[in-house]
Amino acid sequence: NAGVTQTPKFQVLKTGQSMTLQCAQDMNHEYMSWYRQDPGMGLRLIHYSVGAGITDQGEVPNGYNVSRSTTEDFPLRLLSAAPSQTSVYFCASSYYRGNTEAFFGQGTRLTVV
Amino acid sequence: DAKTTQPNSMESNEEEPVHLPCNHSTISGTDYIHWYRQLPSQGPEYVIHGLTSNVNNRMASLAIAEDRKSSTLILHRATLRDAAVYYCILRDAWGYGGSQGNLIFGKGTKLSVKP
Repeated sequence: NAGVTQTPKFQVLKTGQSMTLQCAQDMNHEYMSWYRQDPGMGLRLIHYSVGAGITDQGEVPNGYNVSRSTTEDFPLRLLSAAPSQTSVYFCASSYYRGNTEAFFGQGTRLTVV
Repeated sequence: DAKTTQPNSMESNEEEPVHLPCNHSTISGTDYIHWYRQLPSQGPEYVIHGLTSNVNNRMASLAIAEDRKSSTLILHRATLRDAAVYYCILRDAWGYGGSQGNLIFGKGTKLSVKP
């Protein structure tokens, strides 16, 4: 099992550019989520999805879009990157939202210059 | 939202037990207590979770107070690999409640292990 796979691992963007962070899981999990982690901080929830076709906002959704067309994939889109979006991004999945173990990817380190 | 309070940092010696405390005085009846840890430059990983009774697994033990307003994660013999940030998180059992079943992270406790 690959678990939760995030690509790319590192990315440098110029202000105003757009990009998509990819997240895929092979565990048939219904619930997937995206977090960002800034230096010295805990993780903050950006968006989450409880199943294909269903997404909702987390704590810090501004500047990010998501969609969930399949159970396996949950991409995070930055439409117009800003330096404030420089962060490490983690994707997570679990069988359902609630009392289950969550599995995290290894993260994408994004720098916006 | 039900919140948790943890010390910012703790130190331990290698091969000694470590007790990591967590206070959650506003816990609701359907909140489970989850612990995750994050090793340097890695994503968080699940450690353990419980509702009322003490729980044990290969990684750690979780001791839950009778009134459920506090809990303690116990690492029985700390190793250098256990140096990480440990997060205590309340997660609603069925995806409802203030957190809606999402994992909402605080700042956690940074555990340092000395050889």
